[in-house]
Amino acid sequence: RKEVEQDPGPFNVPEGATVAFNCTYSNSASQSFFWYRQDCRKEPKLLMSVYSSGNEDGRFTAQLNRASQYISLLIRDSKLSDSATYLCVVNGLPSGTYKYIFGTGTRLKVLA
Amino acid sequence: EAQVTQNPRYLITVTGKKLTVTCSQNMNHEYMSWYRQDPGLGLRQIYYSMNVEVTDKGDVPEGYKVSRKEKRNFPLILESPSPNQTSLYFCASSLKGPRGAVRTEAFFGQGTRLTVV
Repeated sequence: RKEVEQDPGPFNVPEGATVAFNCTYSNSASQSFFWYRQDCRKEPKLLMSVYSSGNEDGRFTAQLNRASQYISLLIRDSKLSDSATYLCVVNGLPSGTYKYIFGTGTRLKVLA
Repeated sequence: EAQVTQNPRYLITVTGKKLTVTCSQNMNHEYMSWYRQDPGLGLRQIYYSMNVEVTDKGDVPEGYKVSRKEKRNFPLILESPSPNQTSLYFCASSLKGPRGAVRTEAFFGQGTRLTVV
């Protein structure tokens, strides 16, 4: 089983739609969780961190479910500019370990 | 401006010809790492460094070397490149979090597209 798994997509949605991605992780000791956005062959950039209580940033909402070991990203009112690959990132192990583990990404295409 | 700078951005080389990809950050970050990204495989860590003179292997270290003589620089060295090292490479840096764990945002360089023929 991969340490971090994502549905690769692509998710093709019309402008204005709401879309949600899930990401599962295998290590129950993981402590930090992030969503990154990557445009075609460019560097990943932080979209948002994911907090235990869930958090929202404008049209984006992130949730963490520790019991089921998954994180989610919800995008409301999709824009054409949201088209990108969304990477789920998990801090691998408990303290003292320097490791981010990346999912392979979920591709989103927002259609006009 | 806070940034991670990689050079070169594009490189085509021949098998066996040693090369170095430079990475520099101006944010005084302790942690730096190198990743390669290949289609369907995502980002895989090659090497990382927790601080000056402290480096360790990631998931795919074979064929690569690194050094960390200064806090800001973390070069990636391919002593004898081979075609299977053709890839998109990213350098990243971040702050060290509490108890040494990685908890904070990673900043990425713009990437180096390497082709080995």
